[in-house]
Amino acid sequence: SQQGEEDPQALSIQEGENATMNCSYKTSINNLQWYRQNSGRGLVHLILIRSNEREKHSGRLRVTLDTSKKSSSLLITASRAADTASYFCATNKAAGNKLTFGGGTRVLVKP
Amino acid sequence: EPEVTQTPSHQVTQMGQEVILRCVPISNHLYFYWYRQILGQKVEFLVSFYNNEISEKSEIFDDQFSVERPDGSNFTLKIRSTKLEDSAMYFCASSDRRHQITETQYFGPGTRLLVL
Repeated sequence: SQQGEEDPQALSIQEGENATMNCSYKTSINNLQWYRQNSGRGLVHLILIRSNEREKHSGRLRVTLDTSKKSSSLLITASRAADTASYFCATNKAAGNKLTFGGGTRVLVKP
Repeated sequence: EPEVTQTPSHQVTQMGQEVILRCVPISNHLYFYWYRQILGQKVEFLVSFYNNEISEKSEIFDDQFSVERPDGSNFTLKIRSTKLEDSAMYFCASSDRRHQITETQYFGPGTRLLVL
């Protein structure tokens, strides 16, 4: 697999449920960033977690990072229809360097 | 809240034509990037730019591509002779490395380029 691969590729849940998606990567990183993309639109930054951090929260978002397993997870709690989007993880080897994106998880939240 | 802006939002061009995509990064940012996303595919890195020069580029960024920061606010991507396979959404991003906590890359809304 390539650097930054998400699973599942697609996720369908009911409003109010939690959504969990995972990201795996292969090389060492400085930080990992999660982005959201609504259909055909720009990338919205959600949260950044550094390699020395294990967990971060931002509102209804919770991100974990396990550098020993080279994996991260994004949890969206109490999902809303407006959370319907594609979610991408992107790894960064150093500040100022390129981001390497995964293929994304398409999340559908049904009202 | 400051944001990255891009113009135009859509561009249709004929194969072989030159296109210039424009971006205005966040004003106090020092690092600038171009990425692209072919429909249904991953976001791919093209080039990063710092201190008025390219700091890194991908294999996609061949001689047909160039970047420029012509003044203190704009950052442009030029494709000299477009090919059909250049059709994609092009994203500009910027980041500020001066502060330890700000490795975040902020993306613009994108320019959708269609080459016919």
